[in-house]
Amino acid sequence: DSGVTQTPKHLITATGQRVTLRCSPRSGDLSVYWYQQSLDQGLQFLIQYYNGEERAKGNILERFSAQQFPDLHSELNLSSLELGDSALYFCASSTHRQETQYFGPGTRLLVL
Amino acid sequence: GENVEQHPSTLSVQEGDSAVIKCTYSDSASNYFPWYKQELGKRPQLIIDIRSNVGEKKDQRIAVTLNKTAKHFSLHITETQPEDSAVYFCAAITQGGSEKLVFGKGMKLTVNP
Repeated sequence: DSGVTQTPKHLITATGQRVTLRCSPRSGDLSVYWYQQSLDQGLQFLIQYYNGEERAKGNILERFSAQQFPDLHSELNLSSLELGDSALYFCASSTHRQETQYFGPGTRLLVL
Repeated sequence: GENVEQHPSTLSVQEGDSAVIKCTYSDSASNYFPWYKQELGKRPQLIIDIRSNVGEKKDQRIAVTLNKTAKHFSLHITETQPEDSAVYFCAAITQGGSEKLVFGKGMKLTVNP
């Protein structure tokens, strides 16, 4: 167990809908990262937050947004969902920026 | 920006054999190189990492080597066991520079009993 928690574990929804994925970092970690992993694909970096501020952006669609709250948990919002958004979404955290990242168990999203 | 290439994409070995996974990176400023193991449907788990001021690091049956001149690093697994079967990802980052940890595409290792 890495100490990073994610909810929900599984999510099934329909195209056009909006969902929110939640991540709680390890105790004391200030950085949160979001990744998307499609079937048989690698880890695509989406976005990073450090102590409440956005620090880096990757291949994140405009339909997706995220934020980190004062208690350091983070939420990833996915809207106008498409079939191709079906994937595993991982959150990771690290103590500071650019340090070892520890991954949560992931949220498996299925868009029907 | 940084680009990490990983090869081979799949590798099948017999139990007890050694396995080597190679990665190359493009940004000479990269200075931290973690390796993650991901079992099917599970989270990536850090198994070993190396910083640019070190050429080699070992932890029981796994070792990582780094060649800064050639900009490549490798993961070595000795005495492989069926439970080593997983996808292995290498990654690189420039600590003090870009915030992004760039991953290779992963290598699926199968250890046959």
